[in-house]
Amino acid sequence: EADIYQTPRYLVIGTGKKITLECSQTMGHDKMYWYQQDPGMELHLIHYSYGVNSTEKGDLSSESTVSRIRTEHFPLTLESARPSHTSQYLCASSDYYLSGKLFFGSGTQLSVL
Amino acid sequence: KNEVEQSPQNLTAQEGEFITINCSYSVGISALHWLQQHPGGGIVSLFMLSSGKKKHGRLIATINIQEKHSSLHITASHPRDSAVYICAVMNRDDKIIFGKGTRLHILP
Repeated sequence: EADIYQTPRYLVIGTGKKITLECSQTMGHDKMYWYQQDPGMELHLIHYSYGVNSTEKGDLSSESTVSRIRTEHFPLTLESARPSHTSQYLCASSDYYLSGKLFFGSGTQLSVL
Repeated sequence: KNEVEQSPQNLTAQEGEFITINCSYSVGISALHWLQQHPGGGIVSLFMLSSGKKKHGRLIATINIQEKHSSLHITASHPRDSAVYICAVMNRDDKIIFGKGTRLHILP
């Protein structure tokens, strides 16, 4: 069974705070992704990684950064949160070279006041 | 124009009906995904296709590479099938492009 975890599940913070959203998977997947999704809207790719020390920006312009120091861990950091960052953030991973399926975490609902 | 188009955007049907959701794309792809998202819930991968047809329980997914089109079918639909169904394609650069989703509501 797929195991991909995101914490926190919900986060309410004030403007200007630095935050890190955590994402971990125990499946040994090389490919990992961060998506942003507003209610009723499609997912937008923020960042992706094809392996350790490999990170790329997605299509959605974002003031966030990511790191991939270990295969299982892909944290997303917002240096200075703004109300426009209020959204749901979804982490995913893929075993592209096996079944190719995507596995999603439960998401982090972020509210910036 | 979006690179991945789904239709319909919204679909309401009676329990037991046969459901078809369509996905058309305009880019070269290496694979196509069908995903399911329940309200307030996470996203579950239903199928990954690169050709032909796949079946899992009451769900069937087909893809026609030449026509750049895929369909997701649900037989004997049930209220618990109510969800948003998302088509996503992986392009030749290994980037995943999502459709806007089809909101399905099955009435008991």
